[in-house]
Amino acid sequence: DTGVSQNPRHKITKRGQNVTFRCDPISEHNRLYWYRQTLGQGPEFLTYFQNEAQLEKSRLLSDRFSAERPKGSFSTLEIQRTEQGDSAMYLCASSLGSPRGLGYTFGSGTRLTVV
Amino acid sequence: DQQVKQNSPSLSVQEGRISILNCDYTNSMFDYFLWYKKYPAEGPTFLISISSIKDKNEDGRFTVFLNKSAKHLSLHIVPSQPGDSAVYFCAASPIYNQGGKLIFGQGTELSVKP
Repeated sequence: DTGVSQNPRHKITKRGQNVTFRCDPISEHNRLYWYRQTLGQGPEFLTYFQNEAQLEKSRLLSDRFSAERPKGSFSTLEIQRTEQGDSAMYLCASSLGSPRGLGYTFGSGTRLTVV
Repeated sequence: DQQVKQNSPSLSVQEGRISILNCDYTNSMFDYFLWYKKYPAEGPTFLISISSIKDKNEDGRFTVFLNKSAKHLSLHIVPSQPGDSAVYFCAASPIYNQGGKLIFGQGTELSVKP
């Protein structure tokens, strides 16, 4: 297992278009997290899944954002009608159970640029 | 409302000396504090953590200190090496959140010069 994999690494899209990102977590990890990081800021929590259930969503996750994790394996994050303010690094992370003080494993991220 | 703050955007240290990275938080409802390191074009990597009931945790060259009365934690790297050059994020785990959500600071870019 090579860790958390995210695709694509980079995405440039025109304002108003829809985009979808994919995250493949570490295979035995039942929890999966999405974060967003903008320039000069730390990662901000968006949502998390335990197996296939989406258990928490941040207020940052507007109606244009939707995340799924079918069958509790990979996850997708879709942004509809993209806006320039959506330009950011989207990070996925996974853990086995509640990470508490153990942290979790992040992928390398998908950098979205909306032009 | 920034609950976790890293007020120094950057820090430059000579190789072999101590690096001290600081982090402040604004409420007491965190049970763990964590430090992550991030290289360019990579995701953050977990480095070290400390429970809110401890005041120090050490792992090799890395030591984290927690001062609960001041709501302040720091990461000490001794001795600093050029490979330590990266962005360091502190993060806090809310007691009320069992899902594993973390609240991150803005990051401090450490540069270790040979």
